[in-house]
Amino acid sequence: NAGVTQTPKFQVLKTGQSMTLQCAQDMNHEYMSWYRQDPGMGLRLIHYSVGAGITDQGEVPNGYNVSRSTTEDFPLRLLSAAPSQTSVYFCASQPVQGNQPQHFGDGTRLSIL
Amino acid sequence: DQQVKQNSPSLSVQEGRISILNCDYTNSMFDYFLWYKKYPAEGPTFLISISSIKDKNEDGRFTVFLNKSAKHLSLHIVPSQPGDSAVYFCAASALDMRFGAGTRLTVKP
Repeated sequence: NAGVTQTPKFQVLKTGQSMTLQCAQDMNHEYMSWYRQDPGMGLRLIHYSVGAGITDQGEVPNGYNVSRSTTEDFPLRLLSAAPSQTSVYFCASQPVQGNQPQHFGDGTRLSIL
Repeated sequence: DQQVKQNSPSLSVQEGRISILNCDYTNSMFDYFLWYKKYPAEGPTFLISISSIKDKNEDGRFTVFLNKSAKHLSLHIVPSQPGDSAVYFCAASALDMRFGAGTRLTVKP
């Protein structure tokens, strides 16, 4: 059982480049979310989805796009990378939105030069 | 505006002693609270949770206490073991989850 799989694990981009961070889960979870982790800030919610075809913004959505065409996949797109987006990105899922623990992937470490 | 705060960036305890990690929150709409544990190069893993209708939840060596009037929760680890050394995140949920900045726990043999 793979759980939540994130690819790539590491990536270096130049300012202005675009990139998609992949996230897939095999637990048939309806709710998926993206967080970024920065020193002293904890994990901050970027975007989330309560099911296929439905997405919404979290705390820090600017500069990021998401889509949810299937239950399994929830990619995060950076259209024009900025140094401020250097961070560790985590994808998470849970069965449905609400009071339940989330399952996290192992993260993508992204550096923007 | 951080709605969940962990004011201690780090904590060091001796093996066998109690570890107490603290967390404060500001949003009274939060009704579910969790603790996650994170090792380097891995994602956070769920440790223990508590609903707002309870004030204590225990799971083996881990106990979470909730004081709603003070908007405060704590995680007690007894006895602490070297394998408990990790970063611990407090989280609170009212549909969406908000996380604290984390506390790095070091348990010394």
